[in-house]
Amino acid sequence: GENVGLHLPTLSVQEGDNSIINCAYSNSASDYFIWYKQESGKGPQFIIDIRSNMDKRQGQRVTVLLNKTVKHLSLQIAATQPGDSAVYFCAENKNNQGGKLIFGQGTELSVKP
Amino acid sequence: DGGITQSPKYLFRKEGQNVTLSCEQNLNHDAMYWYRQDPGQGLRLIYYSQIVNDFQKGDIAEGYSVSREKKESFPLTVTSAQKNPTAFYLCASSIFPGTGTEAFFGQGTRLTVV
Repeated sequence: GENVGLHLPTLSVQEGDNSIINCAYSNSASDYFIWYKQESGKGPQFIIDIRSNMDKRQGQRVTVLLNKTVKHLSLQIAATQPGDSAVYFCAENKNNQGGKLIFGQGTELSVKP
Repeated sequence: DGGITQSPKYLFRKEGQNVTLSCEQNLNHDAMYWYRQDPGQGLRLIYYSQIVNDFQKGDIAEGYSVSREKKESFPLTVTSAQKNPTAFYLCASSIFPGTGTEAFFGQGTRLTVV
């Protein structure tokens, strides 16, 4: 399953399928990007990050892709599980802005068993 | 265990009252942040602090105040000047302000005006 940014804030996938969550970031000067997972009523949890000198980074079952040309970030989750159901946020950081993060709107991922 | 602790988890406030949300961290982080989250929305930055006794306004600072008297603590006061204070408030901290590192979040305080 795949969403196309802010126009589709909800993504529904079948358990075991791969998920792709997209994010368009705002500032070409941003040099550090993070994906967070937020479960209902809880604070965001770090998933994976990537710096602007990279275009791909892999973690456990997750991959982040960065396309600086079009200011686009994506999170790929392999073999999506029911425990992956949550809201996913991308965040960008600008080095000259004191380390504060700018968050996207978020995408709600729903995994059907 | 190391982490960020926010209290209380739920808070009710009458209109016209000030209320203070607590945020404590034992991660030895320099920078601390307050974000506001409304239903179905992303996080918006209220205030942040890179060092003790110093803090800066974020994007939506009006109606809020903070202090940073200790490295471990960054309380947020929601004043009566905040017109729509009902929201989920999140505190975060990070190691090196300005160099791009992840922020660690607390579990949030849900404030409701009654």
